[in-house]
Amino acid sequence: AQTVTQSQPEMSVQEAETVTLSCTYDTSESDYYLFWYKQPPSRQMILVIRQEAYKQQNATENRFSVNFQKAAKSFSLKISDSQLGDAAMYFCAYRSAFGNEKLTFGTGTRLTIIP
Amino acid sequence: DVKVTQSSRYLVKRTGEKVFLECVQDMDHENMFWYRQDPGLGLRLIYFSYDVKMKEKGDIPEGYSVSREKKERFSLILESASTNQTSMYLCASSLHMGALSYNEQFFGPGTRLTVL
Repeated sequence: AQTVTQSQPEMSVQEAETVTLSCTYDTSESDYYLFWYKQPPSRQMILVIRQEAYKQQNATENRFSVNFQKAAKSFSLKISDSQLGDAAMYFCAYRSAFGNEKLTFGTGTRLTIIP
Repeated sequence: DVKVTQSSRYLVKRTGEKVFLECVQDMDHENMFWYRQDPGLGLRLIYFSYDVKMKEKGDIPEGYSVSREKKERFSLILESASTNQTSMYLCASSLHMGALSYNEQFFGPGTRLTVL
């Protein structure tokens, strides 16, 4: 079974600075998808960014980018120019490219933005 | 925009009660999911469904059942609520695009259930 580990329960960053949230995963599969989801204090979870394992190029969405290291099974999220609205719980998730479409989530990182 | 709604934001029940949590999505998604979210444990999958009347167990199905009589609605049932089922429950839905696609899951706002 796949597992996803987020080793930082809490992180904080000064507004306008850059922060990196870490995620590692364990799988024996060669093809899969990885996601970062954001859960603001209002609780509705939204997708931030996603990555296909067969793509070597790191995904980027505006101020959000990932550092995907397949051999190391690492998938970190970098937030540039942090804004107050980035304060949230961030969850890393894994999905197999085959079989069912369920997600396996990490335990989350709570990000605080310091004004 | 995809909208996933859940019947209650907050719910308080007594031990032993039968509890229904309802989830409705308005985008004709085939897949629907129920998760529970606990501090330090992240989200854990309880049950999911690929189609009407179809269901599959997730990672923690014990003490729960589900019902999907219509495509847009997915219900989570606690047959006899217990205090260890106090948690946040999140519903999600997604298109069934086949295995080789990374379709996004859309989440509802959650139901915080307290069992006394």
